[in-house]
Amino acid sequence: DSGVTQTPKHLITATGQRVTLRCSPRSGDLSVYWYQQSLDQGLQFLIQYYNGEERAKGNILERFSAQQFPDLHSELNLSSLELGDSALYFCASSVGVFSGLHEQFFGPGTRLTVL
Amino acid sequence: AQTVTQSQPEMSVQEAETVTLSCTYDTSESDYYLFWYKQPPSRQMILVIRQEAYKQQNATENRFSVNFQKAAKSFSLKISDSQLGDAAMYFCAYRGNNDMRFGAGTRLTVKP
Repeated sequence: DSGVTQTPKHLITATGQRVTLRCSPRSGDLSVYWYQQSLDQGLQFLIQYYNGEERAKGNILERFSAQQFPDLHSELNLSSLELGDSALYFCASSVGVFSGLHEQFFGPGTRLTVL
Repeated sequence: AQTVTQSQPEMSVQEAETVTLSCTYDTSESDYYLFWYKQPPSRQMILVIRQEAYKQQNATENRFSVNFQKAAKSFSLKISDSQLGDAAMYFCAYRGNNDMRFGAGTRLTVKP
């Protein structure tokens, strides 16, 4: 158990819908990262928040948005869902702002299926 | 943009033998970090080993070691005395100043 929690574990929805994925980082970690892993592919970095502020941005679509709240939990919002958005979404957390220096701990992921 | 390439989609090793997984990357940054992650069937991402680019010494973690060639932008993972529990997808990853990139992965099979 990494200490990072993600809810829900599974999510099935229809095209055009909007969903929210939630992540609680490990106690004491200030950074939260979101990744997307499509079937049998590597992880795509989406976005990083550090202590409530956006820190780095990767290949995140405009239909997707995220935020980190004062209690440090984070939410990833996916809207106007398409079939191609079906994937495993990981959240990770680390102590510091620069994850190279500090290990990232991954949550178990949320499996999103868009029908 | 930084890219990470894993040229071996699949690898196989006999139990107790040694296997090397390849990874190359492209970057214009001088300061960065490299990682190998393991993803078993449970899909949990597990950090195997980490290398700071400014360190010349290759990182080691028990049976896992890397061969880091900065000039060649190569970062291979060697697994010694392979065990059945090593069977998994292995991802090479690069962390630069504002980005993190993963390779497409290598599926490792361990034969008893």
